[in-house]
Amino acid sequence: DTAVSQTPKYLVTQMGNDKSIKCEQNLGHDTMYWYKQDSKKFLKIMFSYNNKELIINETVPNRFSPKSPDKAHLNLHINSLELGDSAVYFCASRETGTLQETQYFGPGTRLLVL
Amino acid sequence: AQSVAQPEDQVNVAEGNPLTVKCTYSVSGNPYLFWYVQYPNRGLQFLLKYITGDNLVKGSYGFEAEFNKSQTSFHLKKPSALVSDSALYFCAVRDRISSGSARQLTFGSGTQLTVLP
Repeated sequence: DTAVSQTPKYLVTQMGNDKSIKCEQNLGHDTMYWYKQDSKKFLKIMFSYNNKELIINETVPNRFSPKSPDKAHLNLHINSLELGDSAVYFCASRETGTLQETQYFGPGTRLLVL
Repeated sequence: AQSVAQPEDQVNVAEGNPLTVKCTYSVSGNPYLFWYVQYPNRGLQFLLKYITGDNLVKGSYGFEAEFNKSQTSFHLKKPSALVSDSALYFCAVRDRISSGSARQLTFGSGTQLTVLP
């Protein structure tokens, strides 16, 4: 069974469009994350979210918004896509409990904006 | 603020030789430290972590890392490299006493390891 899954795996779209990437984890974790990996492989946190708190990295444009219908899902919605949004987006979830700090990553969604 | 440095973009090693991938960190308190590996077109996979206790941490696939507080380092090592170890390796840190956004992991820039047959 896949622990953290993302759909779609690949996404090619036109500038200005709105798109969503879905993430689901079946690990029972209560904290989830979105990361962006650029063409140089640099990995940057975008959001962290649990049922109490949404933390947004201050450099993330407000065109990006996380949406969590329930504890097992954290979807990423992107409005008015720009060329610079092209990247690989990773979802992750974290173990619950004291000292349980390990994050588990999804396979990634490769977004290409034309 | 917390930060991680991986000083080498690329490390090449011959199969069977020992390998080291370097990582140094900066946090305001005591750290949680992690190593992750990324194979081509895949997500990050957890290798090992230092939370507390023994400074030498053993992880998956024969990898280990040693937490050195005085040198603020957490280098990844393996006694005998395999061609299949070739991948991108990320070090990550979190300050254990922080809250809010500081509880998020900060990743290094990654080191591409190539093991030559």
